[in-house]
Amino acid sequence: KNEVEQSPQNLTAQEGEFITINCSYSVGISALHWLQQHPGGGIVSLFMLSSGKKKHGRLIATINIQEKHSSLHITASHPRDSAVYICAVRADKLIFGTGTRLQVFP
Amino acid sequence: GAVVSQHPSRVICKSGTSVKIECRSLDFQATTMFWYRQFPKQSLMLMATSNEGSKATYEQGVEKDKFLINHASLTLSTLTVTSAHPEDSSFYICSARDSGTGGSQHFGDGTRLSIL
Repeated sequence: KNEVEQSPQNLTAQEGEFITINCSYSVGISALHWLQQHPGGGIVSLFMLSSGKKKHGRLIATINIQEKHSSLHITASHPRDSAVYICAVRADKLIFGTGTRLQVFP
Repeated sequence: GAVVSQHPSRVICKSGTSVKIECRSLDFQATTMFWYRQFPKQSLMLMATSNEGSKATYEQGVEKDKFLINHASLTLSTLTVTSAHPEDSSFYICSARDSGTGGSQHFGDGTRLSIL
């Protein structure tokens, strides 16, 4: 069993829909990252969380330390949000989830 | 915002060539940098942790003589793939941990290495 599990693996949405991507982990962590990887491969760090909730534009990330669970929400999704979203937890090193491939259609 | 510059973005070269990839933190100091490898449609795999002024720490299964890492300053780490072979073809990504702001980690855009 992977130490970091993401769901769903693939997600298709219509423009404007509300998107939720989930991440569960089984190890003790000091922080959790949400990353966005575009088709060209470049990675953007969206959030680093250790508790609670963070918001940036249309993106919201939450974490529940007791339940070892985090969610990434995208409100009013847009085709440019199409990317792979990766959850990574910081234990002694970063442990990555396998990613969620999101496609948003016009 | 914080930026990590990785260069080159793409390399195509013949088997047996050594290839150097640079990773620079542009507006912050990074005591620690990380090198990852990513195969198609797979997650990032940590290859090594690079610490400024000391030897890199390699993950199990990563040949340190094959993947030479140098972290000579607080803003620059290099990965050299020595005598590259087709099986070394992959996407290599560096990441730098900001020494000053609670350890936030920033990623380069990656280098796509193709060995013919």
